[in-house]
Amino acid sequence: NAGVMQNPRHLVRRRGQEARLRCSPMKGHSHVYWYRQLPEEGLKFMVYLQKENIIDESGMPKERFSAEFPKEGPSILRIQQVVRGDSAAYFCASSADSRNTEAFFGQGTRLTVV
Amino acid sequence: AQTVTQSQPEMSVQEAETVTLSCTYDTSESDYYLFWYKQPPSRQMILVIRQEAYKQQNATENRFSVNFQKAAKSFSLKISDSQLGDAAMYFCAYRSPYTSGTYKYIFGTGTRLKVLA
Repeated sequence: NAGVMQNPRHLVRRRGQEARLRCSPMKGHSHVYWYRQLPEEGLKFMVYLQKENIIDESGMPKERFSAEFPKEGPSILRIQQVVRGDSAAYFCASSADSRNTEAFFGQGTRLTVV
Repeated sequence: AQTVTQSQPEMSVQEAETVTLSCTYDTSESDYYLFWYKQPPSRQMILVIRQEAYKQQNATENRFSVNFQKAAKSFSLKISDSQLGDAAMYFCAYRSPYTSGTYKYIFGTGTRLKVLA
């Protein structure tokens, strides 16, 4: 059973470009979470999704950021018109459809905006 | 809102010795989950140990154990017989019960553990 897969591992974008980060949850998991980690800081919650639904987006910036988890395919975190301050590691986690299971994390995507 | 505080940015321990990492949290909920995650240089977040708030017994996993003090809202991690491979960032995390409508985790700022040979 493969773990949570994130790609790419590293992504470089110029200011103003779009960044797309992908996350394939563990097999059988229908809950996905996105977190952002700035250098020397902890992970900050961004958004929680279930298949085709956004459950909690209280940590998402109001502009330029969006997330989806379609019925088929991976979850996508999209950042439009990236700025230097978006440079960070973005982690995806997934959990099974059960209230008592913990989330399993992917290895993250390090986004660098130049 | 829930918060998690790790007041030790960095700790050092001699190989084979014991070290305790501190974590405090704030919440008004009574039923929740607490976790310790390890993040080595590879950046992978690895679950070390978890504790359900309704359980009075402290969780243990081999060389790792916690001291969970619910009234004091304290959740420290003890690592016994420290090994070089234990060197990493350690994050304490809080998760609300599902009745809150979300499973999101709140993380502390981390403690960097160095293991000295």
